[in-house]
Amino acid sequence: AQRVTQPEKLLSVFKGAPVELKCNYSYSGSPELFWYVQYSRQRLQLLLRHISRESIKGFTADLNKGETSFHLKKPFAQEEDSAMYYCALKITSGSRLTFGEGTQLTVNP
Amino acid sequence: GAGVSQSPSNKVTEKGKDVELRCDPISGHTALYWYRQSLGQGLEFLIYFQGNSAPDKSGLPSDRFSAERTGGSVSTLTIQRTQQEDSAVYLCASSLGWDRDAFFGQGTRLTVV
Repeated sequence: AQRVTQPEKLLSVFKGAPVELKCNYSYSGSPELFWYVQYSRQRLQLLLRHISRESIKGFTADLNKGETSFHLKKPFAQEEDSAMYYCALKITSGSRLTFGEGTQLTVNP
Repeated sequence: GAGVSQSPSNKVTEKGKDVELRCDPISGHTALYWYRQSLGQGLEFLIYFQGNSAPDKSGLPSDRFSAERTGGSVSTLTIQRTQQEDSAVYLCASSLGWDRDAFFGQGTRLTVV
């Protein structure tokens, strides 16, 4: 069965510092990987997906199949980036998302 | 409506009582999902509906949990004989199809006392 691991439950950085949220997965096929974000008192929303290879709000994530990782990165963190971040996986032709346990990011002024 | 709507937003119930949670998906979305968000557990898949196909119930944790989707739109998640371990935030999501992005509701926070 597929699995998503986010090793850090809490991550704290200062404004302007680089930030990396780690995500590792286990799945024998070719999955789709996503990052979802939940700001305080807001609903869970899609941040980015690996197939789009896009940068959203300054965040990027590269799928590394050799290391089975999909780390989320931003070169200069902002206070408004403080939120809970979830890495998620969808298997080929699958419908459900398998989520990691989430990382609470706090960006300090 | 503009997004997925869930009701109630908060529910406190006594152990052993039954509860019903409602989800109104985005109009036109054929796929509907229920997830559970427990403290320290991440998001756990419960059930998935796609059009008129049989639902994927493989994530339901016990036979006390059931869900239905009437007319391909509104869905109700029912938990019978609630237990304290059922306390969690129940999230509903919908999408245009199984391969399309899912949009989440605000969730229902269930507390069993």
